[in-house]
Amino acid sequence: QVQLQQSGAELAKPGSSVKISCKASGYTFTRYYISWIKQTTGQGLEYIGYINTGSGGTNYNEKFKGKATLTVDKSSSTAFMQLSSLTPDDSAVYYCARKTLYVMDAWGQGASVTVSS
Amino acid sequence: DIQMTQSPSSLPASLGERVTISCRASQGINNNLNWYQQKPDGTIKPLIYYTSNLQSGVPSRFSGSGSGTDYSLTISSLEPEDFAMYYCQQDASFPNTFGAGTKLELK
Repeated sequence: QVQLQQSGAELAKPGSSVKISCKASGYTFTRYYISWIKQTTGQGLEYIGYINTGSGGTNYNEKFKGKATLTVDKSSSTAFMQLSSLTPDDSAVYYCARKTLYVMDAWGQGASVTVSS
Repeated sequence: DIQMTQSPSSLPASLGERVTISCRASQGINNNLNWYQQKPDGTIKPLIYYTSNLQSGVPSRFSGSGSGTDYSLTISSLEPEDFAMYYCQQDASFPNTFGAGTKLELK
């Protein structure tokens, strides 16, 4: 079955970076894009962007340009999101999701990022 | 960005009851509207895609409808496992945007 397994919770200091992973299984990794979504209590669900897992091409929500960097490692069927120059506003749960033509049809379990000094 | 206004934000309901959640887009989205369910443990799964298509494995008590800017999700007869958060999401333009969510609670 299709599964997206995300890395664990992160505690990071302001100004630092974190890299979250999303390992796919149960399907051909390069046939589907991977999307990333941020969830906070205050802002709800926000779409960060997506990566073409075959070509590595990316498309970012303007709000997250310069904050998030999406990459893939095809050899391990893993997508990554790096968050840089962290501030407390980056504290959230981050989800990866497999994107089909219409819908994000499989989601990771979420990765919690807490930014605190 | 397209704004998605979801209502109600909270919906108390009883087992067996029929409920409807609404979602309004700030501009027409040509039926590119999806519904997701989020459980308290954070697990998110799709329910309905492209307005009215049932995602594989989702019970037939879930249905979706709408057009233009107005869409809705209906659960025909609530089961215990249906009490959760529900979100609409538009896929018509980038970036995709989500409604603020509806918390379906046991009355």
